[in-house]
Amino acid sequence: DQQVKQNSPSLSVQEGRISILNCDYTNSMFDYFLWYKKYPAEGPTFLISISSIKDKNEDGRFTVFLNKSAKHLSLHIVPSQPGDSAVYFCAASGNTGNQFYFGTGTSLTVIP
Amino acid sequence: NAGVMQNPRHLVRRRGQEARLRCSPMKGHSHVYWYRQLPEEGLKFMVYLQKENIIDESGMPKERFSAEFPKEGPSILRIQQVVRGDSAAYFCASSESGENSPLHFGNGTRLTVT
Repeated sequence: DQQVKQNSPSLSVQEGRISILNCDYTNSMFDYFLWYKKYPAEGPTFLISISSIKDKNEDGRFTVFLNKSAKHLSLHIVPSQPGDSAVYFCAASGNTGNQFYFGTGTSLTVIP
Repeated sequence: NAGVMQNPRHLVRRRGQEARLRCSPMKGHSHVYWYRQLPEEGLKFMVYLQKENIIDESGMPKERFSAEFPKEGPSILRIQQVVRGDSAAYFCASSESGENSPLHFGNGTRLTVT
């Protein structure tokens, strides 16, 4: 049962434009959401997180938006850079913190 | 380097052998998680441990797999009598606390069973 879903396996964006990566979840008990970036042969790197008391969190070029009623979150990267090309995973956890559930990832390619 | 350290990076085992994967969490982190990534799939939770305690092992296969996080030393994920289906990348992550604290991952151990 996939509780966190990333329905777009890949995305291509021109350098300098906005990249929007999407993520949906099914469990209304999730209250903490994260985005990770992963290069081949490396572990995922934490990018940005948001708790359910907020609907937006910004860190430099990265902004995460949370829509609790739609059980949807998105990551905006602007402006996109070639070095942003990687696989992006969203993750979610409930208030027990026992498990973090990950999506299957979206492979972002930023075209110079 | 104060990051999560995993070793070995690559491990080759023949069917029926044992695999031992090690993870040293970030300094100051007492929560350790193990995840498995199969080819073309996302990260699947296996087990969550704190020092000397298994908190949640609901993602771990009931047989052949075990994990520990002793008072001293690294966390160990042990796979006995490996089969080809165990071939995967195994990632360890640590966090400072269990709630609303991001996981920080190591670079993984890629297990190949021949």
